[in-house]
Amino acid sequence: AQSVTQLGSHVSVSEGALVLLRCNYSSSVPPYLFWYVQYPNQGLQLLLKYTTGATLVKGINGFEAEFKKSETSFHLTKPSAHMSDAAEYFCAVSDREAGTALIFGKGTTLSVSS
Amino acid sequence: NAGVTQTPKFQVLKTGQSMTLQCAQDMNHEYMSWYRQDPGMGLRLIHYSVGAGITDQGEVPNGYNVSRSTTEDFPLRLLSAAPSQTSVYFCASSYTNRGRNEQFFGPGTRLTVL
Repeated sequence: AQSVTQLGSHVSVSEGALVLLRCNYSSSVPPYLFWYVQYPNQGLQLLLKYTTGATLVKGINGFEAEFKKSETSFHLTKPSAHMSDAAEYFCAVSDREAGTALIFGKGTTLSVSS
Repeated sequence: NAGVTQTPKFQVLKTGQSMTLQCAQDMNHEYMSWYRQDPGMGLRLIHYSVGAGITDQGEVPNGYNVSRSTTEDFPLRLLSAAPSQTSVYFCASSYTNRGRNEQFFGPGTRLTVL
């Protein structure tokens, strides 16, 4: 069975600081990996996804993530945090062979202070 | 395109009442799904559909029914509401059931069961 673990339910950074949100997955088959963002009282929006090819994936709003198979990780980073990045972030995995639904981590709330 | 729409946005029910949460998409997506979001739990899959007339259970299906008579609509029915069903419900759709495809989420329905 697939699973996702997001380390840290709450991350706080200062504006301009590096953002690092951690995600580790468990999957018996090569996975598809996703990061979604949820702003307050809104639905989820795709930030980026890894399906195949280049392991460093660039997404919207300056975010990127690197797929590391040896570490079973897909950490999300942004070089310089902005106040507008404050939101909840979800890592998710799906089974590329069975095409099953997304399995989500429990989420990480990012706070950005000025 | 309106994308994925959900109605109502808010709903308060009494224990034992029934209701239907509506979900519609205008992107001609084959795959639709329902998730519930609870604090600290991430999103958990309730039911999903890979096409009109085909539905299946997800991780937490008890107390919910679904049907898919058209490609566009995927309503979620609560047969006899319980306080444990107090949650935020999200509908999502994607082009196919293949895991690589991005899922598009609706804005959510916030349900309170008293």
